[in-house]
Amino acid sequence: NAGVTQTPKFQVLKTGQSMTLQCAQDMNHNSMYWYRQDPGMGLRLIYYSASEGTTDKGEVPNGYNVSRLNKREFSLRLESAAPSQTSVYFCASSSNRDRYSEQYFGPGTRLTVT
Amino acid sequence: AQSVAQPEDQVNVAEGNPLTVKCTYSVSGNPYLFWYVQYPNRGLQFLLKYITGDNLVKGSYGFEAEFNKSQTSFHLKKPSALVSDSALYFCAVRDMSGGSYIPTFGRGTSLIVHP
Repeated sequence: NAGVTQTPKFQVLKTGQSMTLQCAQDMNHNSMYWYRQDPGMGLRLIYYSASEGTTDKGEVPNGYNVSRLNKREFSLRLESAAPSQTSVYFCASSSNRDRYSEQYFGPGTRLTVT
Repeated sequence: AQSVAQPEDQVNVAEGNPLTVKCTYSVSGNPYLFWYVQYPNRGLQFLLKYITGDNLVKGSYGFEAEFNKSQTSFHLKKPSALVSDSALYFCAVRDMSGGSYIPTFGRGTSLIVHP
């Protein structure tokens, strides 16, 4: 039981390049989330998916797109990377929409855009 | 609307002393409250949560948190700190009724335990 896995762990992009961050969970969770973490800003929600086939914008969606490929996988795409997207990205999942379910986080992807 | 505040960016405590990391919240209805810990270069890990019932919640690694409805607080505590407790701690809240089921996180408090 690996929990939530993310690839890659590290990435360096040049401005304007694109990339996709991959996330998978093996806990049969319905809900999945993408966050970014910046110093002093805490966690900010980029996109989330309440269930397979649905996605919704979070607090900071601009510059990103997501795909809920199936129940296990939720990817985050940067179409044209900008230095402001330099951050640590975390994927998370939770069992369902019950408000008392805790979230499980992946190990993160550290992205630098030059 | 829901919000959470962690008023201290950093908490310093000596090993063996009790520690408290503060969290206050605001929700329209009743809250579900969570604490997470983040060790360096790792993702967040769930520590404990308050749903209902007993105001003192016990969690992983000897941590506990006290829910205080009148003060809208959910402070994280541990009777005797360890150097290995040094990490970033996040409080999160969800409103029990209405609005989004997405939790709101605080900005985090860095706990430093000195030997």
